[in-house]
Amino acid sequence: QKEVEQNSGPLSVPEGAIASLNCTYSDRGSQSFFWYRQYSGKSPELIMSIYSNGDKEDGRFTAQLNKASQYVSLLIRDSQPSDSATYLCAAPRSGGGADGLTFGKGTHLIIQP
Amino acid sequence: NAGVMQNPRHLVRRRGQEARLRCSPMKGHSHVYWYRQLPEEGLKFMVYLQKENIIDESGMPKERFSAEFPKEGPSILRIQQVVRGDSAAYFCASSRSSYNEQFFGPGTRLTVL
Repeated sequence: QKEVEQNSGPLSVPEGAIASLNCTYSDRGSQSFFWYRQYSGKSPELIMSIYSNGDKEDGRFTAQLNKASQYVSLLIRDSQPSDSATYLCAAPRSGGGADGLTFGKGTHLIIQP
Repeated sequence: NAGVMQNPRHLVRRRGQEARLRCSPMKGHSHVYWYRQLPEEGLKFMVYLQKENIIDESGMPKERFSAEFPKEGPSILRIQQVVRGDSAAYFCASSRSSYNEQFFGPGTRLTVL
């Protein structure tokens, strides 16, 4: 059973600081990874996708992938109270992408004003 | 609205009744996925469909649950003889191809009385 693990938190970060969210995965064959944000009572919203080792930046968000260590992280710069949500890490169930996603249980992020 | 559409948004059923959930994928997307999120639990994959084909239903309970994605019309997740344990949020996601990002609909909140 392929697994995606996240620290459930809550992770509390002061407004304006960098929030760092981490995720590890068990399947070395996984080729792609996704970060979703989910507000309470709402559906998951895709924030970032990453397919190769290294960093990928999009606005205040940076995804980092290290396939050798089997971890993927999400950095949020200049954190805002509106960033307070649960962040879900996901990877394809089959590893190669042709399948549904396996999700971690999510990290609850709280940005303190 | 070019996003994934789901209806109804809220559904209340009594034990033993049938629940029928509908999902229309984003325009241009031919891959549909259904997920279930139980209270205080993570998102769990249920089934992956393309038009007229079930590709992977390994995440779906073998009894009472079925899914289809006909040539015309929305994808449907059907739950027969619902029980209280079926109460959950059911999300549909779609992607352009099996290797692309998945985008989620608003979900259907099912409550079984």
